[in-house]
Amino acid sequence: SAVISQKPSRDICQRGTSLTIQCQVDSQVTMMFWYRQQPGQSLTLIATANQGSEATYESGFVIDKFPISRPNLTFSTLTVSNMSPEDSSIYLCSVDSADRALLGGYTFGSGTRLTVV
Amino acid sequence: RKEVEQDPGPFNVPEGATVAFNCTYSNSASQSFFWYRQDCRKEPKLLMSVYSSGNEDGRFTAQLNRASQYISLLIRDSKLSDSATYLCVVIFMNRDDKIIFGKGTRLHILP
Repeated sequence: SAVISQKPSRDICQRGTSLTIQCQVDSQVTMMFWYRQQPGQSLTLIATANQGSEATYESGFVIDKFPISRPNLTFSTLTVSNMSPEDSSIYLCSVDSADRALLGGYTFGSGTRLTVV
Repeated sequence: RKEVEQDPGPFNVPEGATVAFNCTYSNSASQSFFWYRQDCRKEPKLLMSVYSSGNEDGRFTAQLNRASQYISLLIRDSKLSDSATYLCVVIFMNRDDKIIFGKGTRLHILP
């Protein structure tokens, strides 16, 4: 399965600022996914990032707040903009396996633990 | 009804015991099912896929019951290292895949 390098692993940020999270994959992948996991909660999909097109956002998430870049097939960034304490969460990137139906599942980056003060 | 529901636990189980937990899903169009394991402060990692015929991987057995819309995970001869949160994942493959994570079941294996 793919190996994902995600950084930063954690950050403490002032409210009103922005943080950009990076994910680098060791192989080319069509789709990359960005998730948020709030304390005590499961993962919620923020958006799907395809190379060469705008990201597709899930209900409740907008591009102005969470701009995403996908400049090539191995890299993506998620920016958390104009942060507030409610944005404190773990953010994870993910890629799917080459044949999801057979091999099963997704690989996740190690996550970025964001605290907004 | 929530799309994917799991008993949050925690399940406190003595080492060596057998433990099982279920995950129910609401959408009968669901097509792919997985169990993930998430250790504290770590990312989720795929534990096993769940096939209609059921599947086994060592001490772990996963089963799917489409009629009752649930999947199960059975862990035999539990080890201390099995302590983690187990996430149920359901994928609805329509025009756009929809991936739903359960909130997870916390398992504590007691020495």
